[in-house]
Amino acid sequence: DVKVTQSSRYLVKRTGEKVFLECVQDMDHENMFWYRQDPGLGLRLIYFSYDVKMKEKGDIPEGYSVSREKKERFSLILESASTNQTSMYLCASSSRTSGREETQYFGPGTRLLVL
Amino acid sequence: AQKITQTQPGMFVQEKEAVTLDCTYDTSDQSYGLFWYKQPSSGEMIFLIYQGSYDEQNATEGRYSLNFQKARKSANLVISASQLGDSAMYFCAMREGGGNKLTFGTGTQLKVEL
Repeated sequence: DVKVTQSSRYLVKRTGEKVFLECVQDMDHENMFWYRQDPGLGLRLIYFSYDVKMKEKGDIPEGYSVSREKKERFSLILESASTNQTSMYLCASSSRTSGREETQYFGPGTRLLVL
Repeated sequence: AQKITQTQPGMFVQEKEAVTLDCTYDTSDQSYGLFWYKQPSSGEMIFLIYQGSYDEQNATEGRYSLNFQKARKSANLVISASQLGDSAMYFCAMREGGGNKLTFGTGTQLKVEL
């Protein structure tokens, strides 16, 4: 059974703190993604990675960075958390597209509150 | 312009009835894929169904079917015989060309009533 796990379901941090969100997949997928989800805005892509040590900016990378040192792990970093980063964060993974029907598999999400 | 548009923020349906959730898309690529996901209140995104731009038949997966109208650029999800457990947020998403990224719509909150 496919599995994407995220380090925390709920997280409360203070403004200015450095925040690490961890994501691990056990499917040997090449691609990994970080999204944030806000009411009325759907899911928006922050960063993605298609290989170890490779990363590309998504639609809303400002205020975030990522790290992918191992194939199975993709970390999202908030260097200095701000209240407008309060959101639900979803990690996903997928295999390199060989057939167009390959879906992304999602983790359970992390609800982050920045006070 | 929005690449994926879901115009229904919320929908109600009675148990055992069918419901259609709307999705229109915008792309200039000839090759693309359309996905529907379900997100229960627990938060996890669950893949439901996929339609490729070159697929001639509408996709079906159990009680889910996709009404794909390529000329109108619409990919509506049809859920037959609704169940209480179908109450969730539903997202339409698109992958363009040979890429790996998905673009999501804003979602439709479905509530199934007795």
